[in-house]
Amino acid sequence: AQSVAQPEDQVNVAEGNPLTVKCTYSVSGNPYLFWYVQYPNRGLQFLLKYITGDNLVKGSYGFEAEFNKSQTSFHLKKPSALVSDSALYFCAVRDMRSNYQLIWGAGTKLIIKP
Amino acid sequence: KAGVTQTPRYLIKTRGQQVTLSCSPISGHRSVSWYQQTPGQGLQFLFEYFSETQRNKGNFPGRFSGRQFSNSRSEMNVSTLELGDSALYLCASSKTDRGLSYEQYFGPGTRLTVT
Repeated sequence: AQSVAQPEDQVNVAEGNPLTVKCTYSVSGNPYLFWYVQYPNRGLQFLLKYITGDNLVKGSYGFEAEFNKSQTSFHLKKPSALVSDSALYFCAVRDMRSNYQLIWGAGTKLIIKP
Repeated sequence: KAGVTQTPRYLIKTRGQQVTLSCSPISGHRSVSWYQQTPGQGLQFLFEYFSETQRNKGNFPGRFSGRQFSNSRSEMNVSTLELGDSALYLCASSKTDRGLSYEQYFGPGTRLTVT
């Protein structure tokens, strides 16, 4: 069955340190991959996507994500975390063989401590 | 370009009532999806509409229904409200290319409280 896993409910990082939020998926075919962010009391915002091409994609607010086909992963990264990055992050995968259904991870709460 | 708009923003209903929520997508976007977000359950997919047709559906009871109009605006309806339906309901729209949807853009949500 198609699924998206975000193995960590919460990630704690000190400000200035690099951060990684993990995402693995299980869908058939070549997926379209997305990251979204939800800041406190604000709506969900699109962060970045991988469709095809370079495995390293760059998005908003200095975030980037690396697509790894062999490991079926799409981890979100940032070289230097800011306190303002504290938010809820969702990974999503569009299953191209199942009516383009978008499958969501459970979300990871990222806490950046000053 | 205006973003996704949802009305109303806040709603208080009592058990057994029904409610209709409205969503206006970004101009040119033909795909509209609905989600329920609660603190305990996270983001739950309700349904997706494309060209006035329901294309995908999540695991929600038949009390939850929706529709999309020819101008891509969408409504969702919840009948016989239960306390557990209290949640933030999010609408998202995306542009499509030959039916394939790309990234979604979310509205601010409708906060529904059932008492």
